[in-house]
Amino acid sequence: GAGVSQSPSNKVTEKGKDVELRCDPISGHTALYWYRQSLGQGLEFLIYFQGNSAPDKSGLPSDRFSAERTGGSVSTLTIQRTQQEDSAVYLCASSRGHGGSNEQFFGPGTRLTVL
Amino acid sequence: RKEVEQDPGPFNVPEGATVAFNCTYSNSASQSFFWYRQDCRKEPKLLMSVYSSGNEDGRFTAQLNRASQYISLLIRDSKLSDSATYLCVVNRLRTNNDMRFGAGTRLTVKP
Repeated sequence: GAGVSQSPSNKVTEKGKDVELRCDPISGHTALYWYRQSLGQGLEFLIYFQGNSAPDKSGLPSDRFSAERTGGSVSTLTIQRTQQEDSAVYLCASSRGHGGSNEQFFGPGTRLTVL
Repeated sequence: RKEVEQDPGPFNVPEGATVAFNCTYSNSASQSFFWYRQDCRKEPKLLMSVYSSGNEDGRFTAQLNRASQYISLLIRDSKLSDSATYLCVVNRLRTNNDMRFGAGTRLTVKP
């Protein structure tokens, strides 16, 4: 079946511009995560959606970062007024949620480069 | 202090060696635990879950010590293909999937 997909796969932008990253989770997965991974670094948790509950935004590094999840499925991560330090791979993952396997399935990521 | 901590390595070992990684977590209420593997420039993928009684999958053995709040991964008879970054993952809550990843331990197996 289809896995987690993310778009675009690569994004190059100029400092100060806004970007939107998209994640399509596996159908039926109620939990969705966004992570950031800088070159050679570990995964940095950004935000977590679980069903209709209020998202856990505790990992968002600044108010320039926001995310939405529409209809409990597709999610978009928006970075406003991008800075060079925002350059990283942004990974999305989904899992079944309540009562199901905790395994997270990751998308291939979006590589963001801010010039 | 990070919620999940790992030695970043790198661990450089010869083929056939046995290597062990540890991971500590700070939230004593954490409920479930996993090891993920991440190859270079790829997304992480589940390697194995970690059960309270310890579990083994071929050359891989995972153990949990709740009292000391650490988990371990042992790899026996290392293969070149084991070269990757190994991520320790902790699910913080009982009812939700609320996972936190360690920064990973890098392993290189050399001929």
